[in-house]
Amino acid sequence: GAVVSQHPSWVICKSGTSVKIECRSLDFQATTMFWYRQFPKQSLMLMATSNEGSKATYEQGVEKDKFLINHASLTLSTLTVTSAHPEDSSFYICSARDFSGAHSYEQYFGPGTRLTVT
Amino acid sequence: QKEVEQDPGPLSVPEGAIVSLNCTYSNSAFQYFMWYRQYSRKGPELLMYTYSSGNKEDGRFTAQVDKSSKYISLFIRDSQPSDSATYLCAMSEGSGNTGKLIFGQGTTLQVKP
Repeated sequence: GAVVSQHPSWVICKSGTSVKIECRSLDFQATTMFWYRQFPKQSLMLMATSNEGSKATYEQGVEKDKFLINHASLTLSTLTVTSAHPEDSSFYICSARDFSGAHSYEQYFGPGTRLTVT
Repeated sequence: QKEVEQDPGPLSVPEGAIVSLNCTYSNSAFQYFMWYRQYSRKGPELLMYTYSSGNKEDGRFTAQVDKSSKYISLFIRDSQPSDSATYLCAMSEGSGNTGKLIFGQGTTLQVKP
């Protein structure tokens, strides 16, 4: 099956610094990638939809200037958490769709990145 | 009211039991229904996918969708300890370029040996 990787898997940063998380589709091209946030014992909340070569579409309540998304190629999307604060500590998960695949509806999820802001 | 409601559990069953997991939803435009399994500190993996109403079976797993009642279910037969995980239902209005998924809260399942 299609594989999506994320890097780093775990990061600790100080309040006020920025952190970049990478999401890669390893064996397929993903024109669309999604970024989710998941708090402990809660479900995945969609933050934004990232389309290759265009601006990301953010969900209501998600700050565009704080969560910068770049989808510069068909295999890589990045999420940068700028000026991170402790309340940004969460599990960030990306997913990618393979529109050329037999199951174009399917979203393949990365393993997630745990961010802790101290 | 949330678009998708799912009992968070936790649900604890003995090995070999039949497990029933359910979600209700309010958006009648949902057409695609999925069940994901998520192990602790991992990303979700797709278990079952159903379009519109009906049943779908895959091994020990059966997914049911009742659009008239806005109710979906996942049944696990002969449950195993390895089935212990969080199960998330997810729904989408379309499979087109948006394909935005709305997730339920997730039900934590523990299968005891």
